[in-house]
Amino acid sequence: EAQVTQNPRYLITVTGKKLTVTCSQNMNHEYMSWYRQDPGLGLRQIYYSMNVEVTDKGDVPEGYKVSRKEKRNFPLILESPSPNQTSLYFCASSFGAVGGYTFGSGTRLTVV
Amino acid sequence: AQSVAQPEDQVNVAEGNPLTVKCTYSVSGNPYLFWYVQYPNRGLQFLLKYITGDNLVKGSYGFEAEFNKSQTSFHLKKPSALVSDSALYFCAVSSSRDSWGKLQFGAGTQVVVTP
Repeated sequence: EAQVTQNPRYLITVTGKKLTVTCSQNMNHEYMSWYRQDPGLGLRQIYYSMNVEVTDKGDVPEGYKVSRKEKRNFPLILESPSPNQTSLYFCASSFGAVGGYTFGSGTRLTVV
Repeated sequence: AQSVAQPEDQVNVAEGNPLTVKCTYSVSGNPYLFWYVQYPNRGLQFLLKYITGDNLVKGSYGFEAEFNKSQTSFHLKKPSALVSDSALYFCAVSSSRDSWGKLQFGAGTQVVVTP
């Protein structure tokens, strides 16, 4: 089944403890992206990648890191999480520049 | 800078009635426009897109959208709403002058379809 897989689905962590949210797609998509969803704000882009080793900042990159060492994987790294990073995170991928995204099921992160 | 606005936080409609969810945008260059739907506790699902060509775009689940360049709008429509259409709908935009990565989403419109 073609899909984007995120792990974990739920995560509660403490301020300052480094964490990684994994994202993997099995569709050989070139484009991948991370978004956070907050009530009333819609989805805001964190980082995106147009190919292996090619990444760029979205609208809200502060406090996040990404890497794209393989085409299928695009992990999101929070080096020192803070409570304002409590949110619902989505990974997405697309075959082309104007293709429709395929989204993962989301990761609900709580930082206390 | 590009932006997208969904002026209604919530749209209420009776089952069987027409459904319209509004979206307006602002971009430099040619717009690429998308609609997504999010059901409770689920990720977003792609509904349809406008890149070029016919202004009326047909998508999944009976939805369609009309691109209006003069009004910079891309409203989502369904002729006869179903209770199962109740969900959160997002409009998104990028442009020919930006990297694909700059896909920007609106704040979302909650659709409630009552029996």
